[in-house]
Amino acid sequence: DSGVTQTPKHLITATGQRVTLRCSPRSGDLSVYWYQQSLDQGLQFLIQYYNGEERAKGNILERFSAQQFPDLHSELNLSSLELGDSALYFCASSVVDRADTIYFGEGSWLTVV
Amino acid sequence: QQPVQSPQAVILREGEDAVINCSSSKALYSVHWYRQKHGEAPVFLMILLKGGEQKGHEKISASFNEKKQQSSLYLTASQLSYSGTYFCGTENWGGADGLTFGKGTHLIIQP
Repeated sequence: DSGVTQTPKHLITATGQRVTLRCSPRSGDLSVYWYQQSLDQGLQFLIQYYNGEERAKGNILERFSAQQFPDLHSELNLSSLELGDSALYFCASSVVDRADTIYFGEGSWLTVV
Repeated sequence: QQPVQSPQAVILREGEDAVINCSSSKALYSVHWYRQKHGEAPVFLMILLKGGEQKGHEKISASFNEKKQQSSLYLTASQLSYSGTYFCGTENWGGADGLTFGKGTHLIIQP
């Protein structure tokens, strides 16, 4: 158990819908990362927050957005869902914002039908 | 920009050695190595922060060639438990790209 908690674990939704994935980082960690994992693309970096502020941005679609709240939990919002958005979404956290061990949660499986 | 890993897959017999390479087109600040088993979350192996640095334990170690913007992961006398997908992650000096992972190297260890 890494200490990073993600909910929900599994989610099935229809195309065009909107979902929210939630992440609670390890106690004491200030940085939160979001990754998308599909079979052929490995771990795609989406976005990173550090202490409430956006720290780095990867290949995050405009239909996706995220934020980190004052209590340091984070949410990833996915809207206008398409079949291709089906993937495993990982949240990870670390103490500082770079060059640090990051700990992954168990992931949220999203299936778009 | 995603680092490039090679090979894409390796099949070994128990006790054999393997090398996994990771290269980037950008100057690297740090290199991270993670292992992921099927159906599980990636697990941290090590971070390398300085050019030329080698870290690890006796059987799993890594090197970082800052000049060549490359890192290699060495697995010696492989065990069945080493099976999984290995990811290298890189942070460049600018920092705005975050921790970006390669597509992974699938390692299968056979008895």
